[in-house]
Amino acid sequence: EQQVQQSPASLVLQEAENAELQCSFSIFTNQVQWFYQRPGGRLVSLLYNPSGTKQSGRLTSTTVIKERRSSLHISSSQITDSGTYLCAMEFASNYQLIWGSGTKLIIKP
Amino acid sequence: DAGVTQTPRHEVAEKGQTIILKCEPVSGHNDLFWYRQTKIQGLELLSYFRSKSLMEDGGAFKDRFKAEMLNSSFSTLKIQPTEPKDSAVYLCASSAGDTQYFGPGTRLLVL
Repeated sequence: EQQVQQSPASLVLQEAENAELQCSFSIFTNQVQWFYQRPGGRLVSLLYNPSGTKQSGRLTSTTVIKERRSSLHISSSQITDSGTYLCAMEFASNYQLIWGSGTKLIIKP
Repeated sequence: DAGVTQTPRHEVAEKGQTIILKCEPVSGHNDLFWYRQTKIQGLELLSYFRSKSLMEDGGAFKDRFKAEMLNSSFSTLKIQPTEPKDSAVYLCASSAGDTQYFGPGTRLLVL
């Protein structure tokens, strides 16, 4: 069983629409991170969110540890937001991450 | 600071060859990770070092994959012998204890 599940696997939106990405975990974790990767590009950390709500620009992450889930909201999407969004949970408090398989986001003009 | 650097960016190897991938972490970071990324499997952890000590050797990858960290500013990943199924992007990341910072990756093709 995959320990980190992401949904949807892919999402196509029109520019300016809002995107909602979901991540759920099969075990409890004390740390959730969201990453972004453009095709052929470097993996980049977006938000480091242990619990509650954290915002960075147009990105808002909400993590509910006791429900073993996290979400990433992208408001007013732009074409440059297209790419793959990965969530990862910290495993056993030793900074190792277990990764989801990603949500591929496509923003159309 | 240039961030995490990896060389080479691309590598083509014949089946059975030995290849060595290199990584320079962000200065001052104590944690270093090697991952393999494929479309099917996603990100898989190969090795994890903390302060140059090997903490995780990637289980199923032990046989032909060996990562070393001889000093705090340089790590290598050796694959010996290579097989076509090793074709993937190999990523190195470093961390100061919070988030991980990734290099651009080495794209390996094994023929």
